[in-house]
Amino acid sequence: AQSVTQPDIHITVSEGASLELRCNYSYGATPYLFWYVQSPGQGLQLLLKYFSGDTLVQGIKGFEAEFKRSQSSFNLRKPSVHWSDAAEYFCAVGGGLSGGSYIPTFGRGTSLIVHP
Amino acid sequence: DTAVSQTPKYLVTQMGNDKSIKCEQNLGHDTMYWYKQDSKKFLKIMFSYNNKELIINETVPNRFSPKSPDKAHLNLHINSLELGDSAVYFCASSPGATSRYNEQFFGPGTRLTVL
Repeated sequence: AQSVTQPDIHITVSEGASLELRCNYSYGATPYLFWYVQSPGQGLQLLLKYFSGDTLVQGIKGFEAEFKRSQSSFNLRKPSVHWSDAAEYFCAVGGGLSGGSYIPTFGRGTSLIVHP
Repeated sequence: DTAVSQTPKYLVTQMGNDKSIKCEQNLGHDTMYWYKQDSKKFLKIMFSYNNKELIINETVPNRFSPKSPDKAHLNLHINSLELGDSAVYFCASSPGATSRYNEQFFGPGTRLTVL
């Protein structure tokens, strides 16, 4: 069965500092990986996704993520954090077949706090 | 135009009542979902419909009954509400659950509070 681990429940950074949010996955084949962001009081929005090809993927809002098969990781990075990036971040892995459908599995989320 | 919309955004009700949440998507997607997000932000899938057919029914009490009148709409009816039902309920859609490129598009959520 597929699973996702986000080891950090909370991360605090200063505005302008760099950011890395960790995500480890467990999946038997080539994973389909996603990062979503949930701003306060809103739904989840896709930041970026990886299916194949270049292991460094670019997303919206200046985010990027790197797929490392050897480490089963898909960490999210941003070189300089803005106060508006304060939100909940979810890593998800897709590709698992359940009842004939591919349903993604979400991690428990990492809450990003940005200090001025 | 809102891609996935839900109504209402907030729902406050008493234990034992029955309530419904409605969802609509205008993305032309085949598959729709209901997720429950608890107070710790954990996101758990409840149901999934593909072209009006129920394809995923996770371990959810029978008090929860989804209905999909057409592939653009998915409603959630909850009978005999309990305190533990308090959560944020998200509707989502995707191009098709039979594709591994199953990117989810989420609605804004409905915050349900049971008193």
